[in-house]
This record gives sequence, structure tokens and C-alpha cells, in this order.
Amino acid sequence: SQQGEEDPQALSIQEGENATMNCSYKTSINNLQWYRQNSGRGLVHLILIRSNEREKHSGRLRVTLDTSKKSSSLLITASRAADTASYFCATDFQTGANNLFFGTGTRLTVIP
Amino acid sequence: EAQVTQNPRYLITVTGKKLTVTCSQNMNHEYMSWYRQDPGLGLRQIYYSMNVEVTDKGDVPEGYKVSRKEKRNFPLILESPSPNQTSLYFCASSLSEYNEQFFGPGTRLTVL
Repeated sequence: SQQGEEDPQALSIQEGENATMNCSYKTSINNLQWYRQNSGRGLVHLILIRSNEREKHSGRLRVTLDTSKKSSSLLITASRAADTASYFCATDFQTGANNLFFGTGTRLTVIP
Repeated sequence: EAQVTQNPRYLITVTGKKLTVTCSQNMNHEYMSWYRQDPGLGLRQIYYSMNVEVTDKGDVPEGYKVSRKEKRNFPLILESPSPNQTSLYFCASSLSEYNEQFFGPGTRLTVL
């Protein structure tokens, strides 16, 4: 499968702590995106990082991309209970096709 | 309000009874796609469309059909549903596969 894989599958932290999730993929990409999903609901886009970028910030979110290792990380700083959700990475591979591949997600629980 | 709508939100049906799940977007997006989400498997792309009358298979197209006669609509058709198509389905749209995807609220389908 060309899917990305998130690590860990589940993460539980205390409110105020930082949460780090990782995504690995298998082939060269154009972009990598991170999405958030509250239970049973549609995904919401968080951030997009292009293959020529190494780091990107948006509010409390920090995304890094290491194309040599084919991996990305999502850092949520000063977590809140409302950050409890599943987080997915999605990649569009440089295969000539136009598919978008999602990972299996990291389930984050932030304990108040 | 910019949005992607899906109907129905919930559907219980029986094996072999043809059904259609509608998807509509009001953002004039060219790229639309359908995903199914199953526990432990993440989101998998079923079909996508890059523009009117242009559709292509995603990761798991077997048992599904789509059409794109108008830019705003992208229905998903199950000609003869089977129990293994019981899943949570999401429609999404974007300017292209390289851009932020906007997701619908999801359709939970149960095939008995």
C-alpha cells in the first residue's frame, strides 16, 4: 500500500503538555497534509507542507517534513481537552496519478 | 457558506438494492473524491474526479460507480451493495489534489 502510516496509533497526554505525532510514507511526494477528525465527523484540514519546505507553523501547530527520511511530524503545543481527536496525514505521490493517500491516523486524547 | 453536503447521512439497506449517495459542493472546485473509512484502515480513496466528465479509480473502486455530469455534484453509486460495503463514506472537494480538501459530514451506510 502507498498509504502513509501515523505513529503512535494512540496517544494520551495531560492538558498543557505537547503532543507529537509522526507520519511516514513510501515514495516521493508533492505535498503532505495534516487533517483532524472529531469522532465520526468529517475531516478538517490543518496544514499543508510542500516537498520543498522543511517546517511550517500555524498557531499551536508545528509541522516538519524530512523528505530524505520520508517522514513528517505534527507537534501540538500546550494541548487542550478540545484537541482530543484523530489526526491523519495525507500525501499526493509523484506517481503521475492523482490519488490522495491517507494514513490510518493517531488517536489523541487530552486529559483535562 | 462554503460547504460540501452529502445525503443521506445514515442509510440501512439490504444486499443487492441499488443506492446512490449524493455529494454537492458550492465552492466551484474542480477536484472531488469519495473515501470510505473503516476501523484500523484509515481513509481509502474510492474514486476521484478532476473535472466534469473526468473520473478515475482510487485505491478501492470495486463495487462502486461515480459520475460527474456537473461541476458541483459527484454522486456515488452502489449498483449491488454487499455487506462488506458497510462503512462510513466521505465526499471531499478541493481546487486540486494538491490543495486542502474540504470534507462533507459523512454518510454511515449499513448493508444487511
